[in-house]
Amino acid sequence: EAGVVQSPRYKIIEKKQPVAFWCNPISGHNTLYWYRQNLGQGPELLIRYENEEAVDDSQLPKDRFSAERLKGVDSTLKIQPAELGDSAVYLCASSLDGRRGHLQFFGPGTRLTVL
Amino acid sequence: GESVGLHLPTLSVQEGDNSIINCAYSNSASDYFIWYKQESGKGPQFIIDIRSNMDKRQGQRVTVLLNKTVKHLSLQIAATQPGDSAVYFCAETKIRDDKIIFGKGTRLHILP
Repeated sequence: EAGVVQSPRYKIIEKKQPVAFWCNPISGHNTLYWYRQNLGQGPELLIRYENEEAVDDSQLPKDRFSAERLKGVDSTLKIQPAELGDSAVYLCASSLDGRRGHLQFFGPGTRLTVL
Repeated sequence: GESVGLHLPTLSVQEGDNSIINCAYSNSASDYFIWYKQESGKGPQFIIDIRSNMDKRQGQRVTVLLNKTVKHLSLQIAATQPGDSAVYFCAETKIRDDKIIFGKGTRLHILP
């Protein structure tokens, strides 16, 4: 069974440039999560989707971050414009549904470096 | 605020010995406590969880202990192997919130 797929794996951009990350969750998983993981820290939730609905985006910096999951499957996370402090690993995770959300499966992440 | 933390950022263990990774948590209302393993270049991988009404749970080579009196969680890995090298995170969640709050992580080094 394929796991959570993310692309790109690495991205280096200059500050003020836009960047987008893509995630394909495990087939059949209705709940999708985007996390940000700073160096040496645990992941922090940015946004959670139940199918195509964003049910928790309270930690998403909405001035520059946006996300979408139009058909309830794949999702994209965008940053525009990127700042130096956005350098981190962006992880996508999925679970069957939100009731057992702690059984999340994580993708390998996209390592973003903002210069 | 709510937080989950770990006692040591790095732990070195001889191959074949048992490893014990500790974690202190602050939110007594959490329903589940979870251990994740994160290898270099990969996302966190679920290892084992324990419900808040339990004291101990065993898996394959791993045991999680929960001491609610002192708000302490530990992960024991038996007969540590080179493949156990990783960063280990404890985490907590409440079923209603469906949020996982991660601690900072302990890096486990396996000595030959």
